[in-house]
Amino acid sequence: DGGITQSPKYLFRKEGQNVTLSCEQNLNHDAMYWYRQDPGQGLRLIYYSQIVNDFQKGDIAEGYSVSREKKESFPLTVTSAQKNPTAFYLCASSIVKESEQFFGPGTRLTVL
Amino acid sequence: QQPVQSPQAVILREGEDAVINCSSSKALYSVHWYRQKHGEAPVFLMILLKGGEQKGHEKISASFNEKKQQSSLYLTASQLSYSGTYFCGGATNKLIFGTGTLLAVQP
Repeated sequence: DGGITQSPKYLFRKEGQNVTLSCEQNLNHDAMYWYRQDPGQGLRLIYYSQIVNDFQKGDIAEGYSVSREKKESFPLTVTSAQKNPTAFYLCASSIVKESEQFFGPGTRLTVL
Repeated sequence: QQPVQSPQAVILREGEDAVINCSSSKALYSVHWYRQKHGEAPVFLMILLKGGEQKGHEKISASFNEKKQQSSLYLTASQLSYSGTYFCGGATNKLIFGTGTLLAVQP
């Protein structure tokens, strides 16, 4: 059963700690994305990757880092440099950059 | 930079129609439409390419006017299941999502 998984669904961290959010897909998609969503707001692009070992910054990349060592995986690290990290984080993938995106269930990160 | 959607929110009775508009200041290759229910992930509805095409998906259809860089989503005979937040995505070298339109369908 193909899809995108994100874990965990809820994550709590203390201020000043780095935290890594997992995103895995078994759809054989080349492109993967990370978005941030704040209450009542739209989706803002953090990073995206079109191919293994390559990724580009989105509109709000400061304080975040990613890696794409495998086609199936695109983890996002929220560093202590991110000023306001509490948000809902969504991972998505698509066959190629221009095609429809499939979203994972999201991770709700709360920094205390 | 971010596509602007209007209206910001709309409340309908079952069976009524609605139009959601999406306007971009940048030239777009295509427009995507997604629906997100509260607490869930967005779900893809349709993509419209350059060429002024229209597409339909049951009672939901959309158009894209590339000259005006505007897209509209048409919901006819709305159902309770249509409730959610609708996002357009404007594709240039990357996909940038619009501000969102909250749609509530009441019995």
